[in-house]
Amino acid sequence: NAGVTQTPKFRILKIGQSMTLQCTQDMNHNYMYWYRQDPGMGLKLIYYSVGAGITDKGEVPNGYNVSRSTTEDFPLRLELAAPSQTSVYFCASIRWDRELSEQFFGPGTRLTVL
Amino acid sequence: DAKTTQPPSMDCAEGRAANLPCNHSTISGNEYVYWYRQIHSQGPQYIIHGLKNNETNEMASLIITEDRKSSTLILPHATLRDTAVYYCIVRAYQAGTALIFGKGTTLSVSS
Repeated sequence: NAGVTQTPKFRILKIGQSMTLQCTQDMNHNYMYWYRQDPGMGLKLIYYSVGAGITDKGEVPNGYNVSRSTTEDFPLRLELAAPSQTSVYFCASIRWDRELSEQFFGPGTRLTVL
Repeated sequence: DAKTTQPPSMDCAEGRAANLPCNHSTISGNEYVYWYRQIHSQGPQYIIHGLKNNETNEMASLIITEDRKSSTLILPHATLRDTAVYYCIVRAYQAGTALIFGKGTTLSVSS
């Protein structure tokens, strides 16, 4: 299994540009999450999904959109990028069932908005 | 979810045990204690979790006090590769509940 993969690894955007951060997991996990991490801070939840076709907002959803058309993919869309969105973005997934299981994280996408 | 309190930083000599404390005085009965670590801006990595009994795996041991208001993560023989930010997280076992991260403890292991 590749686990959770994210693309791109790095990206520089100009203010007002848009982009999509890709996230894919091959573990058949039903729950997926997007976090952002600003320098020296902990991770903050942006959006999450409990299954294909179902998404919900986290702590800091403004300026972002998500979709979940398949179990494997959970892309994060940035519209009208702003300098405040400069951050490292992590995607994560977990399989929720009767047993507790660990939450797996991707390697992150480092985004700079200038 | 219950709030956790961790020291911002700790130092440990290579080969010695690293004991990382966490206070979670408002923890409720159905909440678990999780530990994750993040090495140099990589994605966080799961270490261990527990409810009320002490737990051990190949990476670490988790000691939870009897009143469950605090816990300690023990890395028995710290190496340089254990230098990382360690996060203590308390979460109820509810489907879909995301991990909520604080600032964690930065552990520096030196030779």
